[in-house]
Amino acid sequence: NAGVMQNPRHLVRRRGQEARLRCSPMKGHSHVYWYRQLPEEGLKFMVYLQKENIIDESGMPKERFSAEFPKEGPSILRIQQVVRGDSAAYFCASSPLGSYEQYFGPGTRLTVT
Amino acid sequence: GESVGLHLPTLSVQEGDNSIINCAYSNSASDYFIWYKQESGKGPQFIIDIRSNMDKRQGQRVTVLLNKTVKHLSLQIAATQPGDSAVYFCAENRGDNAGNMLTFGGGTRLMVKP
Repeated sequence: NAGVMQNPRHLVRRRGQEARLRCSPMKGHSHVYWYRQLPEEGLKFMVYLQKENIIDESGMPKERFSAEFPKEGPSILRIQQVVRGDSAAYFCASSPLGSYEQYFGPGTRLTVT
Repeated sequence: GESVGLHLPTLSVQEGDNSIINCAYSNSASDYFIWYKQESGKGPQFIIDIRSNMDKRQGQRVTVLLNKTVKHLSLQIAATQPGDSAVYFCAENRGDNAGNMLTFGGGTRLMVKP
């Protein structure tokens, strides 16, 4: 049973470009969460999604950031017009319906130059 | 705002000794707590969880203790091994309409000396 998959593992973007981060949840999991982690810090919640539905986006910056979890395919975290402050590790987690347990992917490390 | 925090940022222990990592939380409405282990360059790995209706739960070499009176959570690792070296995070689910969102503490780095 494959775990949560994220790609790419490393992403380098110049300021002003767009970054797309992908997450495939564990098989049978219907909930996806995105977190951001700065070096030597804890994870900060960004957004919680179910298929075709955003449940909670209280941790998402108001501009430039968006997320989706379509009926088919992976969840996508999209960052438009990236700035250096967006450099961080972005982790995706998934959980089955009705469970609090969240299983994390290996993360995508975004570097903005 | 409400948050989960830790007492010690770094803990250094000798191989074979027991380790205790502490965590304080401020939201009395939290009803679910998880400990995660994060090795360098990897995602957090689930270790053990506990619900607020329990005060102790044991796993393989790990024990989580929950003291709701003082809002304190601890992770005990028995016979610590070099492979236990990592950053450990506690996380809570607030148990309110926020759904399944987890709030993470800042992390404690555990260093195991051979």
